[in-house]
Amino acid sequence: AQKVTQAQTEISVVEKEDVTLDCVYETRDTTYYLFWYKQPPSGELVFLIRRNSFDEQNEISGRYSWNFQKSTSSFNFTITASQVVDSAVYFCALTPLLQGAQKLVFGQGTRLTINP
Amino acid sequence: AAGVIQSPRHLIKEKRETATLKCYPIPRHDTVYWYQQGPGQDPQFLISFYEKMQSDKGSIPDRFSAQQFSDYHSELNMSSLELGDSALYFCASTARTGSGYTFGSGTRLTVV
Repeated sequence: AQKVTQAQTEISVVEKEDVTLDCVYETRDTTYYLFWYKQPPSGELVFLIRRNSFDEQNEISGRYSWNFQKSTSSFNFTITASQVVDSAVYFCALTPLLQGAQKLVFGQGTRLTINP
Repeated sequence: AAGVIQSPRHLIKEKRETATLKCYPIPRHDTVYWYQQGPGQDPQFLISFYEKMQSDKGSIPDRFSAQQFSDYHSELNMSSLELGDSALYFCASTARTGSGYTFGSGTRLTVV
């Protein structure tokens, strides 16, 4: 069985601060995908990144960066110089890399509030 | 680029009524997933279809049923609605495992 834990229920920071959202996962599968999604107040799920378990390279996309550490089963997400528009609920998710339809297992989500 | 289309966007029903939610996947995507997200909760997997056959089932109540049609669109049928069924219902589609789940904008169901 898979499990994703986002221990931080809510985070509140002031604009321009850096913030890191933690994600820890459990799986017996040797190959899997990890995802991050953003859910703004409007409700849609916005895809941010997908990481293959084979690839432990960190990734940077503008102000966003992701740190994948297979040894600690963590896939943390950092926003640098946060902005008010970053306020949203962020979900980390996991799925095994297997044939056939494989569901996404989500973490509980972290509500991030960026204050002006 | 075409996205996953869900209809309706909003739906208000009374207790004990029925509701049908529709999902149109991205063209050439053969797998559809349904998720339910209650207020303040993470999305919970309900059911999935691969090539028009049910492939996995999660915590879907017996009052709910779903199917995938020959054109790959899917419908989630919900009967005897309860107040607790009020939630955001997402559909997602993929072309193959983990290739990138594309979510629709969701249907917000309110049961009164």
